[in-house]
Amino acid sequence: SQTIHQWPATLVQPVGSPLSLECTVEGTSNPNLYWYRQAAGRGLQLLFYSVGIGQISSEVPQNLSASRPQDRQFILSSKKLLLSDSGFYLCAWSRLAGATGELFFGEGSRLTVL
Amino acid sequence: SQQGEEDPQALSIQEGENATMNCSYKTSINNLQWYRQNSGRGLVHLILIRSNEREKHSGRLRVTLDTSKKSSSLLITASRAADTASYFCATDTGANSKLTFGKGITLSVRP
Repeated sequence: SQTIHQWPATLVQPVGSPLSLECTVEGTSNPNLYWYRQAAGRGLQLLFYSVGIGQISSEVPQNLSASRPQDRQFILSSKKLLLSDSGFYLCAWSRLAGATGELFFGEGSRLTVL
Repeated sequence: SQQGEEDPQALSIQEGENATMNCSYKTSINNLQWYRQNSGRGLVHLILIRSNEREKHSGRLRVTLDTSKKSSSLLITASRAADTASYFCATDTGANSKLTFGKGITLSVRP
């Protein structure tokens, strides 16, 4: 069966510090991978998605970046965090198909920037 | 702007009652999905309805889709306290394998 792991679960970082959130998927190959951000009381905002190794599409211009160094690994990074980067970050995967199927989400990483 | 918007924003009902949540969207879709999120957790997929389908059932869940009105509804019958969560609709427009989520509905089921 497929599983998705996301860490760390909770993170408190000072403004200007770097960020690295990691997500790995097990039990499947060549998944579509996604990073979403959920601000308090808001919906999900798609930040990045990837259809293959090294292929990253950015949805929202910001000081965050994403990388996919391996087929089932997706990393969200920042060189210098802003207060506005606080939120709940969710990684998700879906099977590669012509039409989008269901998304499988990780348990999320809660980032607080102080 | 959001592709999918849920209505109402919050819903409070008594255990045993039915809960109806609505979602409207703006552009044509391949499919529409509903997800559930318990507080502080990741989202869990509930049900997917394709654009050529009008109704789907899964256990106590019933989803309808009206493509002419660009709307969908999620009905939870005989609600339980454990159904308390946020519910999101998400639309697949076929654009680059992406889903667009609404802001969600907070459902509270009182025991």
